[in-house]
Amino acid sequence: DQQVKQNSPSLSVQEGRISILNCDYTNSMFDYFLWYKKYPAEGPTFLISISSIKDKNEDGRFTVSLNKSAKHLSLHIVPSQPGDSAVYFCAARGGGSEKLVFGKGTKLTVNP
Amino acid sequence: ETGVTQTPRHLVMGMTNKKSLKCEQHLGHNAMYWYKQSAKKPLELMFVYNFKEQTENNSVPSRFSPECPNSSHLFLHLHTLQPEDSALYLCASSQDPGEPYNEQFFGPGTRLTVL
Repeated sequence: DQQVKQNSPSLSVQEGRISILNCDYTNSMFDYFLWYKKYPAEGPTFLISISSIKDKNEDGRFTVSLNKSAKHLSLHIVPSQPGDSAVYFCAARGGGSEKLVFGKGTKLTVNP
Repeated sequence: ETGVTQTPRHLVMGMTNKKSLKCEQHLGHNAMYWYKQSAKKPLELMFVYNFKEQTENNSVPSRFSPECPNSSHLFLHLHTLQPEDSALYLCASSQDPGEPYNEQFFGPGTRLTVL
């Protein structure tokens, strides 16, 4: 049973527009959420995170939003750039565990 | 070298072979992890080592044997694998496993193919 779900395997947007990547989770014990980005032939790299005491965290063009009641988080990238094309993984942890639980990933393609 | 390095990057082995994957972190971190990523599946945590001690074994078959001689090095010894073990094996490290908000840094992975 997947505790972290990324229901869109792929997303395509135009350069300059907003990219919105979504993630849902089922475990109410999760209290820390991360987004990782992965290019081909490389390992995932940390992008941005949010703890459950916040509902939004911004870092430049990247914003992560958390809706605890809906058990949903999203990553907004604006403006999107071709270099943002990658697979984005949502991950969560909590309940005192150091274990990160990952989603399957969403492949983002930003077209010039 | 910086960050987390893994060798080899690609490995093809038969089911009767014995091989090892190596991971080294140059970040001064105290925790190291092995993950498996199979096609169309999420990253799955396999093992966690904190200060060289194994703290988590996520029900991994015994044909996978981890070794952590020090906080900077992590090995995954492989023997009598099955074709379904073919996957990308990722190593990661983090600063303080007890810190709730610490992120994990990943290596580039080893693409393993079992024939």
